[in-house]
Amino acid sequence: AQTVTQSQPEMSVQEAETVTLSCTYDTSENNYYLFWYKQPPSRQMILVIRQEAYKQQNATENRFSVNFQKAAKSFSLKISDSQLGDTAMYFCALSSFFTGANSKLTFGKGITLSVRP
Amino acid sequence: EAGVVQSPRYKIIEKKQPVAFWCNPISGHNTLYWYRQNLGQGPELLIRYENEEAVDDSQLPKDRFSAERLKGVDSTLKIQPAELGDSAVYLCASSSGLVKFTDTQYFGPGTRLTVL
Repeated sequence: AQTVTQSQPEMSVQEAETVTLSCTYDTSENNYYLFWYKQPPSRQMILVIRQEAYKQQNATENRFSVNFQKAAKSFSLKISDSQLGDTAMYFCALSSFFTGANSKLTFGKGITLSVRP
Repeated sequence: EAGVVQSPRYKIIEKKQPVAFWCNPISGHNTLYWYRQNLGQGPELLIRYENEEAVDDSQLPKDRFSAERLKGVDSTLKIQPAELGDSAVYLCASSSGLVKFTDTQYFGPGTRLTVL
């Protein structure tokens, strides 16, 4: 079984500042991918960033970057220069290879991020 | 390129009534997923299709839920009869299916179901 834990239900940040969202996970697999998805109030889920477990280098996408600590099974998302449009729910997700089942994406409970003007 | 399309966006029904949700995936995407998202929670997989075949339906409550994906394109998820606890957002997602567990899933806007 694989699990994803997001223990912070809500966070708030001032516009233009930096915020870090936490995520821990557990899997017995060696090959897996980690994702952060964003779900704005309109509810369309959008991929923000993804990390391949076998890569040591942390993924970055413009203002979004991750801190991937494989040994600690930690995968946090840093948002720099926060913008009002970053207000959304953010979900951490894990995809690993299950023999015979191809892929299974497991989501955390999500964190609500509010960016204050 | 059009994204994943779902309809209806909202549905309100009384308990014991049937309801159906429709999904049109991104063109060319072989893999289609149905998720249920309860309020304040992350999505949970109900069923996954590879083309026309349901390859993972272990979380689908088969006594009242059914799904089909005819011709390997559009899909329909049905609940009959609906219960109060079925109130949730039902999300459809698709991926190319070319590279299994590394595929990025693209989500539709969801259908918000309210059962009274």
